[in-house]
Amino acid sequence: RKEVEQDPGPFNVPEGATVAFNCTYSNSASQSFFWYRQDCRKEPKLLMSVYSSGNEDGRFTAQLNRASQYISLLIRDSKLSDSATYLCVVTPTDSWGKLQFGAGTQVVVTP
Amino acid sequence: DGGITQSPKYLFRKEGQNVTLSCEQNLNHDAMYWYRQDPGQGLRLIYYSQIVNDFQKGDIAEGYSVSREKKESFPLTVTSAQKNPTAFYLCASSIGTGLSGANVLTFGAGSRLTVL
Repeated sequence: RKEVEQDPGPFNVPEGATVAFNCTYSNSASQSFFWYRQDCRKEPKLLMSVYSSGNEDGRFTAQLNRASQYISLLIRDSKLSDSATYLCVVTPTDSWGKLQFGAGTQVVVTP
Repeated sequence: DGGITQSPKYLFRKEGQNVTLSCEQNLNHDAMYWYRQDPGQGLRLIYYSQIVNDFQKGDIAEGYSVSREKKESFPLTVTSAQKNPTAFYLCASSIGTGLSGANVLTFGAGSRLTVL
């Protein structure tokens, strides 16, 4: 079983709609959680950190559910520019440098 | 502007040849990392370094070597022992001090290696 799992998608979303997807992790001792965005053939870039109480950054909302071991990302009022692959990243407490990446969820926003 | 520079962006190599990928950062970050990305897979950690003159193997270190002689530089050598080296290689850095946000990664633009 993979340490971090994501639905690969693609999630096809009409412009203006809301899309949400999850990422599950297997290590209950995981400490830090992030969402990164990666455009095709480009490097990943930090979208947002995920805090225990949940957090929002504009149209993006991230949630953490430690009991069920998953994090989620919700995008409201989707823009064409939101089309990308969203990578879930988890840091285990006992392996500081060994961040674990999911394979990504592809989102395609259509006009 | 601060950032991470990787070179070359594209590289072609014949089987049996070693190749070195450059990674330089001017962010004054302590920690640096090398990842490999293959289609449909998550990033996999090759090596990481928390301080100068020290580095640790990641999950897929076989066939690779690194050095960390300067804080700013963390070159990766892909040796002929690496069985399937064709991939997208990403260098990253982070503050790495254990403080909040210490392992937030900043990535370089990547090096795409193709073995012919």
